[in-house]
Amino acid sequence: AQTVTQSQPEMSVQEAETVTLSCTYDTSESNYYLFWYKQPPSRQMILVIRQEAYKQQNATENRFSVNFQKAAKSFSLKISDSQLGDTAMYFCAFVAYSGAGSYQLTFGKGTKLSVIP
Amino acid sequence: GAGVSQSPSNKVTEKGKDVELRCDPISGHTALYWYRQSLGQGLEFLIYFQGNSAPDKSGLPSDRFSAERTGGSVSTLTIQRTQQEDSAVYLCASSLVGGTSGVFGPGTRLTVL
Repeated sequence: AQTVTQSQPEMSVQEAETVTLSCTYDTSESNYYLFWYKQPPSRQMILVIRQEAYKQQNATENRFSVNFQKAAKSFSLKISDSQLGDTAMYFCAFVAYSGAGSYQLTFGKGTKLSVIP
Repeated sequence: GAGVSQSPSNKVTEKGKDVELRCDPISGHTALYWYRQSLGQGLEFLIYFQGNSAPDKSGLPSDRFSAERTGGSVSTLTIQRTQQEDSAVYLCASSLVGGTSGVFGPGTRLTVL
């Protein structure tokens, strides 16, 4: 079974600063994807960034980037130039492609990020 | 539509009543997922539909929970004889094919009194 662990229940960052959210996962699969989702108070889950396990290059989307360490099974999210709109719950998620499963996402418990003006 | 829609947005019911939650996926998306998010928790997988294949029901917590997807489009999640522990936000997501990140709906907040 796959597990996803987010060890930081809450974090805060000053506006315009940089913050890193941690995520580790456990799997025996070799072919998988990792995701970071953002959930603001509106409840809408929004995909922030995704990383294919077979790619060595870290994914980047504007102010958001990841540090993917496959051997360590670590997948952290870095948010640069933090903005007030980044205040939300952030979930790390994983999906494996074993050919037999339903490709369900496994989520961590989330990190509540507050951006302070 | 442009996104995944869910109805109702909020539902308050009494213990023991049945409830139906609806999900309208993005047109053309063959995969549809239901997740449950309890207070302060991550998302818990409930059920997965892919095209005309038999659904993966492995995440349903009890036989009081069931779901169907008619015509490969709209899905309904039914909870019979609701219990207080069923109180949660129920999220639906759809994707072109299974395994991609999917687009989530806004969820239905269920409160069982």
